[in-house]
Order: sequence, then structure tokens, then C-alpha cells
Amino acid sequence: GAVVSQHPSRVICKSGTSVKIECRSLDFQATTMFWYRQFPKQSLMLMATSNEGSKATYEQGVEKDKFLINHASLTLSTLTVTSAHPEDSSFYICSARDSTSGATDTQYFGPGTRLTVL
Amino acid sequence: AQRVTQPEKLLSVFKGAPVELKCNYSYSGSPELFWYVQYSRQRLQLLLRHISRESIKGFTADLNKGETSFHLKKPFAQEEDSAMYYCALSDSGGSNYKLTFGKGTLLTVNP
Repeated sequence: GAVVSQHPSRVICKSGTSVKIECRSLDFQATTMFWYRQFPKQSLMLMATSNEGSKATYEQGVEKDKFLINHASLTLSTLTVTSAHPEDSSFYICSARDSTSGATDTQYFGPGTRLTVL
Repeated sequence: AQRVTQPEKLLSVFKGAPVELKCNYSYSGSPELFWYVQYSRQRLQLLLRHISRESIKGFTADLNKGETSFHLKKPFAQEEDSAMYYCALSDSGGSNYKLTFGKGTLLTVNP
């Protein structure tokens, strides 16, 4: 089956620094990737939709200058949390849609990245 | 706006008992519905989708447009079914296929 990886799996950083999270589709091409945030014992909240070769589309309330998304290739999207603060601590999950699958809406999820901002 | 409601945050059953996880949705177009499952310390994975009309691990789900529901059912629950279950709706009317998730139901199957 389709596999999506994320790196790193967990990161601890100091307040004010920036952190980059990578999301890769390992065995398929993904023109569209999605970034979610999940708080403890809560559901996934869509942050943004990342399209290869174009600007990301952010959901209402998500600061695009805070959460920079780059989707430079069909297998890689990156999320950079800029000037991180403790309230940015969360579990960040990416997913990728197999662009060769036609109209199917199936998304394949990465294992997530636990970000802790001190 | 599309919305997915899972009324039960927690559901506990005994092994061998039937289980039904409820999901209701609101969407103005023609919905694509999914059930995703997250086992302990594992990633979210697709369990089934309504267009496939398939049974996965003994689970089935029927889309009822009249009741705007997509309940997940299994006649005989197993301990390994214990997990977090999320119902999701796809914005297939748009070009990005965004998923809207319900808040999830934590299923515990007791021995």
C-alpha cells in the first residue's frame, strides 16, 4: 500500500526558533498533500492544503506566515513552524493523495511529528 | 459548510458483542464518506469508504442519505478492534478533496 513518511518523528526546540517538518510519499506521486494538527485526545484539524508547484491554501484561522508550506516536488511537502512558541506544541500530521488514483479521495497519512516548544 | 458528527466520544463493549459507531454528516453536495482508524501508537489508516461497499476486518458501513448517516457496524467485536475511529467526509465537489473529520469515538472491546 501507499506509504507516507514524516521526519522528524519528534522535535524539541526553544521558543523563537523555527522548525521544519518533512512529509514524503514513498511509493506514489502526490500532487496534493495536507497538513493537520491534532491536540491530545482530539480530532485532526486541517491546517492547509499543499499543491505541488503552487501556493498552499490555508484554512481559516491558520497564519500562513507562521506555518510556511512548500511543496516543491510530487513526493515532498514541508511545513516550517516559524518563531515557534509553546502554544505551537502539538502533533502535526501530513497526508498525501495519490494523484494517479483518478477521482478517488483516499488520503494516506504519515505517522506524525510531535513538536514540543520550550 | 460540511460537518461530521460522532455523538459518542467513548464506546465500550464486550468481546463478541455487536458494535455500532455512529456518524452523521451535513453537506450540501454529494458526499464521499470514509471511516479511518487509529490503533494505539499507530498512524491513521483508512478502514473503509462508502463508494467501495466493502467489508474490512468485519466492519461495514452504509451511507443513508435520507438520515445523513454513515454508521460503522460489526456484528461480533474483537479485542483487537479497540482503537480510535474517525468518520470523515470529503469535499469531492471541490478540486482539493479536503477531508473533514468528526471528533472520533474511542472504542474499547473488553475481554
